[in-house]
Amino acid sequence: NAGVMQNPRHLVRRRGQEARLRCSPMKGHSHVYWYRQLPEEGLKFMVYLQKENIIDESGMPKERFSAEFPKEGPSILRIQQVVRGDSAAYFCASSPLQGANEKLFFGSGTQLSVL
Amino acid sequence: GENVEQHPSTLSVQEGDSAVIKCTYSDSASNYFPWYKQELGKGPQLIIDIRSNVGEKKDQRIAVTLNKTAKHFSLHITETQPEDSAVYFCAASIKAAGNKLTFGGGTRVLVKP
Repeated sequence: NAGVMQNPRHLVRRRGQEARLRCSPMKGHSHVYWYRQLPEEGLKFMVYLQKENIIDESGMPKERFSAEFPKEGPSILRIQQVVRGDSAAYFCASSPLQGANEKLFFGSGTQLSVL
Repeated sequence: GENVEQHPSTLSVQEGDSAVIKCTYSDSASNYFPWYKQELGKGPQLIIDIRSNVGEKKDQRIAVTLNKTAKHFSLHITETQPEDSAVYFCAASIKAAGNKLTFGGGTRVLVKP
């Protein structure tokens, strides 16, 4: 049973380009969460999705950031017109959230560097 | 919204000694409290969790305690080993609200051999 898979592991973009981060949840998990981590800091919630639905995007910047979790395929976090301040590690987590099982399992993250 | 404070930010212990990390939370509706270990260049790994209907939980050398009245919870690592060196994060969530985790700022633990 593979864990949460994120790709790419490292992504380098120039200012103004677009960044696409992918996350495949664990098998059987239908809930996906995206978090951002700046160096030497904790993880900050960005968005929570179920298949084809955004449930909570209260932590995501209103501009340039978007997320989706289509019926088929991975969840995508998209950052348009990246700026240097977007440089961070982006982690995806998944959960079955069924019954009493509320555990979140994290992927290895995508390190985004904006030049 | 929920706010989680974590102390200390760094902790250095001698191998074999115990390590204790403390967290407080603000939202009394929070009912799920996991702890994660993060090694350099890796994602957070769930090491233990506790629900609000339980006061203490133990798994080998790791234990977590929860005081709902005071809204604080703690991680205890006994007989520390060098491989315990990592950054540890506490978190809190409300399952009914989609289990969105709010994390503490992290504790960098260094176990000296």
